[in-house]
Amino acid sequence: GQNIDQPTEMTATEGAIVQINCTYQTSGFNGLFWYQQHAGEAPTFLSYNVLDGLEEKGRFSSFLSRSKGYSYLLLKELQMKDSASYLCAALDSNYQLIWGAGTKLIIKP
Amino acid sequence: DGGITQSPKYLFRKEGQNVTLSCEQNLNHDAMYWYRQDPGQGLRLIYYSQIVNDFQKGDIAEGYSVSREKKESFPLTVTSAQKNPTAFYLCASSIDGDNNQPQHFGDGTRLSIL
Repeated sequence: GQNIDQPTEMTATEGAIVQINCTYQTSGFNGLFWYQQHAGEAPTFLSYNVLDGLEEKGRFSSFLSRSKGYSYLLLKELQMKDSASYLCAALDSNYQLIWGAGTKLIIKP
Repeated sequence: DGGITQSPKYLFRKEGQNVTLSCEQNLNHDAMYWYRQDPGQGLRLIYYSQIVNDFQKGDIAEGYSVSREKKESFPLTVTSAQKNPTAFYLCASSIDGDNNQPQHFGDGTRLSIL
């Protein structure tokens, strides 16, 4: 079957760095998305990776290793507003999105 | 500003009743999607439409119906056949049906059973 695994919850300190991991098992692979979702709100797009390597966008970076079926989202200089759920989603061979359950990130002062 | 509007934000359904959730977008996107989000689970696709007057079942279409008569609108009806409808429903759109384009989401509708 197809599966996305990511930790359920993580805690980090304001100003620090946190890495949220995602492993995927899909029939074929056409890229991986990261979204941010604040409680009760819409998910918002953060990044899309289809090639191996690190893509940096300001305080957020996303990494992909296709051979390992692995991605991570790196958040630097954490701010209180970064408290949210982070959703990982992989595109399978039919270009269907397979979603993880999300990682709830709690930022403490 | 362009975006996706879902209404209502909260909706209550009585037993045996059909309810319709509205989704409107002014992004000129061809593709639209409906997801269901339950605690501790990933988003699950209910229906999607890549073009006007055409739509496809997702993974959990049973008990739901949709229409796509206009490009801007993709309403979802939760029928009485859906026995566990309590969930957070999210509508999304993307430029086209090529799924490596990011999806843009509405603010969701929370449906509860009375």
